[in-house]
Amino acid sequence: AQTVTQSQPEMSVQEAETVTLSCTYDTSESDYYLFWYKQPPSRQMILVIRQEAYKQQNATENRFSVNFQKAAKSFSLKISDSQLGDAAMYFCAYRLVFGNEKLTFGTGTRLTIIP
Amino acid sequence: EAQVTQNPRYLITVTGKKLTVTCSQNMNHEYMSWYRQDPGLGLRQIYYSMNVEVTDKGDVPEGYKVSRKEKRNFPLILESPSPNQTSLYFCASSLTASRGTGELFFGEGSRLTVL
Repeated sequence: AQTVTQSQPEMSVQEAETVTLSCTYDTSESDYYLFWYKQPPSRQMILVIRQEAYKQQNATENRFSVNFQKAAKSFSLKISDSQLGDAAMYFCAYRLVFGNEKLTFGTGTRLTIIP
Repeated sequence: EAQVTQNPRYLITVTGKKLTVTCSQNMNHEYMSWYRQDPGLGLRQIYYSMNVEVTDKGDVPEGYKVSRKEKRNFPLILESPSPNQTSLYFCASSLTASRGTGELFFGEGSRLTVL
């Protein structure tokens, strides 16, 4: 079974600084997606960034980028120029392209932004 | 506006009183799923549906039922709620993972308390 591990329950960063959230996953499949979702206090699940496993290039969305290491099964999220609005719970997630298509989530990392 | 709508958003009920949480999407998605979120456990899949009249168990299906009679609707039924079903529930939908971007679109969540 696929598993997703986020080993940092909580992180904090000074406003305008850079922070990296860690995620590792376990799978024997080759075709899958990886995601980072953000959950602010409003509880809404918001997609931050996605990565297709067949692509070697790391995904980037404005201040958010990932470091995808397929062989190491690692998928970290880097947030640059942190802003107060980035404060949230962040979930790493995995989804197979074929077969059981459920989204498997990690347990989350709560990010605090220090003004 | 493309969205997943779930109701009620908040509900307090008593043990054994049947309840239904509705979910509707307007994006013509084949895939729909229910998750529950509990502190320290992330989001766990309860049931999913690949299309009309096709449903299957997720990781934590005990105590829940679902149906998919129409493509847009995927209600979650708790026949006899118990306190351990107190949780935050999310409905989500997407195109099948092989056809789309893999992204799951989430409803705003339903906070359920069973006394």
